[in-house]
Amino acid sequence: GQQLNQSPQSMFIQEGEDVSMNCTSSSIFNTWLWYKQDPGEGPVLLIALYKAGELTSNGRLTAQFGITRKDSFLNISASIPSDVGIYFCSSGNTGKLIFGQGTTLQVKP
Amino acid sequence: GAVVSQHPSWVICKSGTSVKIECRSLDFQATTMFWYRQFPKQSLMLMATSNEGSKATYEQGVEKDKFLINHASLTLSTLTVTSAHPEDSSFYICSARGSGGSREAFFGQGTRLTVV
Repeated sequence: GQQLNQSPQSMFIQEGEDVSMNCTSSSIFNTWLWYKQDPGEGPVLLIALYKAGELTSNGRLTAQFGITRKDSFLNISASIPSDVGIYFCSSGNTGKLIFGQGTTLQVKP
Repeated sequence: GAVVSQHPSWVICKSGTSVKIECRSLDFQATTMFWYRQFPKQSLMLMATSNEGSKATYEQGVEKDKFLINHASLTLSTLTVTSAHPEDSSFYICSARGSGGSREAFFGQGTRLTVV
């Protein structure tokens, strides 16, 4: 079945550092979504991408939809303690959305 | 906008009983709702997709007679875990997608189910 390979699995960084994570797939998709999940909560949508090559920012977050439509990355600049959480990439076409395995981010003040 | 409310946020039930979880889209009409299950430190596993007014489509390996899904209106979907067992204990999350070709999905807060 379709799978999203997300990396890295976890990151432990110093406050102020930039972070990058990515997702790849063997399938072509027309949507890439990035979510953040805090413990015991549902995921919250951070950025949505709809076109190959699209680069979109949301504050300190930037995400890009890969040209091949099989990958996407999320960058967080100047990390702060509240960036801690699990970040998921999600993708799909007209039907269901599937999720990557998640990247757990820890930020050391 | 795009608020999805899930209720209850947590529930404890006895083995053999049934539990109903509600998912409501508060400020948009959700033509499609998704139900996920999440184990600790793992990703979201899609259980089923439901479209308003039609039967849900279940993922392989998910028992449709055990996890009953109803999507009777454009703002409400329910998941009923029937004859619950301890192995059904998990975090269940719904998400909703609006009409008009929307490709974004918004999540509820999740429901922590514990079966004792």
